[in-house]
Amino acid sequence: QSALTQPASVSGSPGQSITISCTGTSSDVGSYNLVSWYQQHPGKAPKVMIYEGSKRPSGVSNRFSGSKSGNTASLTISGLQAEDEADYYCCSYAGYTTRWVFGGGTKLTVL
Amino acid sequence: EVQLVESGGGLVQPGGSLRLSCSASGFTFRIFAMHWVRQAPGKGLEYVSAISNNGGNTYYADSVKGRFTISRDNSKNTLYLQMSSLRTEDTAVYYCVKDLSGNFFDYWGQGTLVTASS
Repeated sequence: QSALTQPASVSGSPGQSITISCTGTSSDVGSYNLVSWYQQHPGKAPKVMIYEGSKRPSGVSNRFSGSKSGNTASLTISGLQAEDEADYYCCSYAGYTTRWVFGGGTKLTVL
Repeated sequence: EVQLVESGGGLVQPGGSLRLSCSASGFTFRIFAMHWVRQAPGKGLEYVSAISNNGGNTYYADSVKGRFTISRDNSKNTLYLQMSSLRTEDTAVYYCVKDLSGNFFDYWGQGTLVTASS
């Protein structure tokens, strides 16, 4: 069982928006503004899409946005495109003794 | 361009050992902490180990503590993971990962597959 809870799958049609939730605890997501989101296409390495909760690295589309409320972080993808179909993982810092924890991953299907 | 290239993966019998290497280029290796993250076949990501920029501080997940050793050679821009007493549940793709100021993982290698099986 993963430390952070994500839905196993979400889906949406091209052009629509979807949101993926990532629920942790007051020891990780709720305590630190260090939630990041990673996109992983089949057979490829993960790629950071959002860091520090809501910041986008250079080169990442502004269709990707992140937010946090309490112990739950969220990734929203607007204007869905076929290329967005991938697995998405959230990750949070969890303190010095645990360091980093990942969510179980969410498979995004673009219908 | 930042590049992280892992090597050393392969098939090993349970109880055996293996050493993974990660050759880094395109950035000042000695400045940044480095990590290993693994992914079992068809499963999610699991945080495994970390090492500070100068090698003086290390971290291990409970699942590998006492069996794996992380190290680095800043003169060779190389990160290592010595794995011993391997178990079938250690079978995974192992990723070498760079972090940015301890805030997130900004670059990942392509991964190397370790298979512990008889």
